[in-house]
Amino acid sequence: NAGVTQTPKFQVLKTGQSMTLQCAQDMNHEYMSWYRQDPGMGLRLIHYSVGAGITDQGEVPNGYNVSRSTTEDFPLRLLSAAPSQTSVYFCASSFFGGASPEAFFGQGTRLTVV
Amino acid sequence: RKEVEQDPGPFNVPEGATVAFNCTYSNSASQSFFWYRQDCRKEPKLLMSVYSSGNEDGRFTAQLNRASQYISLLIRDSKLSDSATYLCVVNPGGYQKVTFGIGTKLQVIP
Repeated sequence: NAGVTQTPKFQVLKTGQSMTLQCAQDMNHEYMSWYRQDPGMGLRLIHYSVGAGITDQGEVPNGYNVSRSTTEDFPLRLLSAAPSQTSVYFCASSFFGGASPEAFFGQGTRLTVV
Repeated sequence: RKEVEQDPGPFNVPEGATVAFNCTYSNSASQSFFWYRQDCRKEPKLLMSVYSSGNEDGRFTAQLNRASQYISLLIRDSKLSDSATYLCVVNPGGYQKVTFGIGTKLQVIP
């Protein structure tokens, strides 16, 4: 049972480059989300999805795109990387509703944009 | 007002001490609440859910006060291994997004 698999773990990009952070879960969770975490800022929601084909913006969506073509996958695309996007990115998934919809996180991607 | 507010700390406490964190939330219709623990450079992991009647897990006690819209986490007999950041999480339910607090940093010192 892999849980939430996030790749890559580390990445260095040059300003202006694009890339996709991958996130996959094998728990049949409806809800998936992407966060970035910066020192002193906590987890900030970038985009989230309540099911295949449905996505919505979070707190800090600019510069990022997402899609949800399947229940399992929720990739995050950086369109044109900027130094301000240097951060640690976490993908998370959970069931909707229920008594205890615990969120499971991937191990994180440490991204540096130079 | 932020959806979820926490004191970022740090809370520096000696081993064996009791420490408590609070977290306030703005959406009175929120349905479920959690405390997560995050170790340095790691992903957050569920510490415990918070139930209306309060719940305990070993040295940890979580409480919910719906009237005042806050949840709390009490850690008794602090251990060095309790040093981490504790995140408050609020789930409004339905199709609304889950919200994490900024986290409270705890440092237990020998």
